[in-house]
Amino acid sequence: QVKLQQSGAELVKPGASVKLSCKTSGYTFSTSYMSWFKQIPGQSIEWIGMIYAGDGGTGYNQKFKGKATLTVDTSSSTAYMDLSSLTTEDSAVYFCAREAGRYWGQGVMVTVSS
Amino acid sequence: DVVLTQTPSILSATIGQSVSISCRSSQSLLDSDGNTYLYWFLQRPGQSPQRLIYLVSNLGSGVPNRFSGSGSGTDFTLKISGVEAEDLGVYYCMQATHAPPTFGGGTKLELK
Repeated sequence: QVKLQQSGAELVKPGASVKLSCKTSGYTFSTSYMSWFKQIPGQSIEWIGMIYAGDGGTGYNQKFKGKATLTVDTSSSTAYMDLSSLTTEDSAVYFCAREAGRYWGQGVMVTVSS
Repeated sequence: DVVLTQTPSILSATIGQSVSISCRSSQSLLDSDGNTYLYWFLQRPGQSPQRLIYLVSNLGSGVPNRFSGSGSGTDFTLKISGVEAEDLGVYYCMQATHAPPTFGGGTKLELK
């Protein structure tokens, strides 16, 4: 069955960067899209962007341009999201998901604190 | 960006009660391809969202048929016909007709 396994929780300092992973199985990764989402605990969900694994083509929410960079490694069927110049406002749970939210990763908590 | 307004923000129900959640969009969600990309999700505490409904009224795989979705244009409704304990959590509508995809503010379903 389809699985999206995200990396573990991160505690990072302000100004640093972090790379989150989403390892997939159970479907053909190389011809699929992957979306990423942000959710601050207790708040709603925001769409960050999407990447097509076939050619690495990306689309971003304007709000997250310059903050998030999406990449894929088709050899390991893994999607990645780099978050740069982190501030406390980036502290949130980040999800990967595909097929218009039919399948979700378990989410990863990123805490930005000195 | 398209704004989705969900009402109510909190919904108190007893087991077996039927309830409805409204999702109103700031723009029509009817796409030029004839589809309306409106979805409903349930997020239980500490879990990832679970997709319940896609394209307004299609039941997701494995989703109980007590859930139903309806609506068109800018007004959409999720109905639960007979709330069960496992239905408690926060419900979100999401649109993907207009970029970027956006979510409603959420409706928390709790036991009365």
